[in-house]
Amino acid sequence: NAGVTQTPKFQVLKTGQSMTLQCAQDMNHNSMYWYRQDPGMGLRLIYYSASEGTTDKGEVPNGYNVSRLNKREFSLRLESAAPSQTSVYFCASSVQLQGAAFYEQYFGPGTRLTVT
Amino acid sequence: GDSVTQMEGPVTLSEEAFLTINCTYTATGYPSLFWYVQYPGEGLQLLLKATKADDKGSNKGFEATYRKETTSFHLEKGSVQVSDSAVYFCAPSNQGGKLIFGQGTELSVKP
Repeated sequence: NAGVTQTPKFQVLKTGQSMTLQCAQDMNHNSMYWYRQDPGMGLRLIYYSASEGTTDKGEVPNGYNVSRLNKREFSLRLESAAPSQTSVYFCASSVQLQGAAFYEQYFGPGTRLTVT
Repeated sequence: GDSVTQMEGPVTLSEEAFLTINCTYTATGYPSLFWYVQYPGEGLQLLLKATKADDKGSNKGFEATYRKETTSFHLEKGSVQVSDSAVYFCAPSNQGGKLIFGQGTELSVKP
C-alpha cells in the first residue's frame, strides 16, 4: 500500500515551458487535491476533485489545469510556467467516512518545482 | 471567509521543555479540527484530530482540545524531544470538507 505517490520529485523549468505533475493514490479515496506550499504561506489549495469526473477551483487556480483521469489519478498541468509558480506542490486524497463530519487527508511527498 | 491563525515561529526549545503552539480559527458551523506535522523534506502527516466541541485529540504525547467558546485548538506536549523538530500546521475543515491551513509553526528542539 504506497498511499499517495507523486512524480517527479524535483523539476526545473524555464519560463514558458509546460509540464504535468502526476499524482496517484491506492487507497480508493473519492476526493483528491492539489496544494502549493510557499514560505510563510502555509498550504494553499489550487484545485480539487470531490469525485471521479469532477474538478473545482480552489484558492489559487490561475495558471493551472487539472485532470481527474480515473479514481486513482489526478494530474496538475502548468501550460506556460512562470517564476511565480516556483513552489513545492503537494497532492492529497481523502474519503469522508460514512456518518462522519470530517475528511482526513493523506499527503504525497511533494514535487519541488523551480521556474527560472 | 474561513481562516486560521497560528503562533509565529520559529519556536526553539530545549529537550524536555513544555510546548504550546496556539491556534485560533474562524469557520462557519462546526468544523472538525486537525493538526498536521511536516518533517524536513517530507509531506504532511496527520498528527491528531478532534471532531466536536470539548473533544481532545492526542497522539505521540501531543494533545489539543477543541474549544468552541474560544474557537481555539492549541497544541501541547509535556516534554519535547529532538525528534519533534518539524513544522506544525493547524487546519480546520470548512463546510465543504476542505482543509484551511495556517502558515505553519516551525519547532526546533535542541539537545
